[in-house]
Amino acid sequence: AQSVSQHNHHVILSEAASLELGCNYSYGGTVNLFWYVQYPGQHLQLLLKYFSGDPLVKGIKGFEAEFIKSKFSFNLRKPSVQWSDTAEYFCAVNLAGNTGKLIFGQGTTLQVKP
Amino acid sequence: DVKVTQSSRYLVKRTGEKVFLECVQDMDHENMFWYRQDPGLGLRLIYFSYDVKMKEKGDIPEGYSVSREKKERFSLILESASTNQTSMYLCASSPIRQGRYEQYFGPGTRLTVT
Repeated sequence: AQSVSQHNHHVILSEAASLELGCNYSYGGTVNLFWYVQYPGQHLQLLLKYFSGDPLVKGIKGFEAEFIKSKFSFNLRKPSVQWSDTAEYFCAVNLAGNTGKLIFGQGTTLQVKP
Repeated sequence: DVKVTQSSRYLVKRTGEKVFLECVQDMDHENMFWYRQDPGLGLRLIYFSYDVKMKEKGDIPEGYSVSREKKERFSLILESASTNQTSMYLCASSPIRQGRYEQYFGPGTRLTVT
């Protein structure tokens, strides 16, 4: 069965540190890729998405992600994190032609220390 | 802005009770979804609906049923609540737009079954 794997379950960083969260999926066909974020007490919201074209996509709040098809990866990056980035981050994959269902990773909790 | 609302933020029910969770979206989206979110497990799909009166089982449908009588409303039903159904329940909707299935989430209902 198709799956999405987020390698880091809990990440602790100091402010201004760089961030990279890993995401790998197991599916050989065409995919749509998403990163969602859930700030404490808030609902899940879209951070960025990739459908086609430039594999480096930019999202809100200075986040970006790179799709590397050969590695089945879609890692999330931010050059300099802020305390307000403390949240849970979810990678999700939609298999093209699969009626809109998303497969989510287990999530990564990011804690940024001031 | 897309708005997905859920009937309750917090709910406490007793074992064996029938529980209804309601979700309403205001963007005329075709697809609607119910997930449960548990620590370390990410989001798991319970059911989804791609049209009025149409539904499809997700990964963990056991113990749940759904109803979609109107396009904007999607209900999740726990026929006989059990303690292992204590969880956060998230509703989402998405349009069908050239195969790009970006999902929009509600605030969630934290259900406790005692």
